[in-house]
Amino acid sequence: GENVEQHPSTLSVQEGDSAVIKCTYSDSASNYFPWYKQELGKGPQLIIDIRSNVGEKKDQRIAVTLNKTAKHFSLHITETQPEDSAVYFCAASKGGSYIPTFGRGTSLIVHP
Amino acid sequence: EPEVTQTPSHQVTQMGQEVILRCVPISNHLYFYWYRQILGQKVEFLVSFYNNEISEKSEIFDDQFSVERPDGSNFTLKIRSTKLEDSAMYFCASTTDRNYEQYFGPGTRLTVT
Repeated sequence: GENVEQHPSTLSVQEGDSAVIKCTYSDSASNYFPWYKQELGKGPQLIIDIRSNVGEKKDQRIAVTLNKTAKHFSLHITETQPEDSAVYFCAASKGGSYIPTFGRGTSLIVHP
Repeated sequence: EPEVTQTPSHQVTQMGQEVILRCVPISNHLYFYWYRQILGQKVEFLVSFYNNEISEKSEIFDDQFSVERPDGSNFTLKIRSTKLEDSAMYFCASTTDRNYEQYFGPGTRLTVT
């Protein structure tokens, strides 16, 4: 089955810096890659996703890139703010069920 | 904005006891899911439910687990005889179509002693 690895497990940045979180996946059939943000006491919330027919997607300060050949995808957050502090999960899934396989999560801490 | 709700937020139970975790999915959603997250580990898929039946389940979802949609609003996960290793955060999720975003609830922390 699919295996998703995520790095780093913890990321500490200063407000205004950029943050990058990287994931790799094992199943070349995976074609949908969502990113979730989990704040304390809440469930994961989708923040951005990308499908395998595109290489990059942006939404304001957040962008995701996908390299299908290398089977890795990354989340980029620019101009980080303290409210970006949370745990971020990457995931991979494929058509049919679209059941996501999650990475282990990255705890992002943005210092004011 | 509509959201998925879960009760209780925290459940403590003794080993061997039955527990029922409850979820109220978003009202017009058709696909329902349960996930669990053992402390410090990945979020893992347990089961998906559509049209009043299980559509997919993982290896974790053995005979100890069952799901039910007893009425038009609730979606429940039952663990028949809890084990210490069932201690985890359990998340419910729902979506209108499996091709689209899944909306997660805030989770129920289950502690088995």
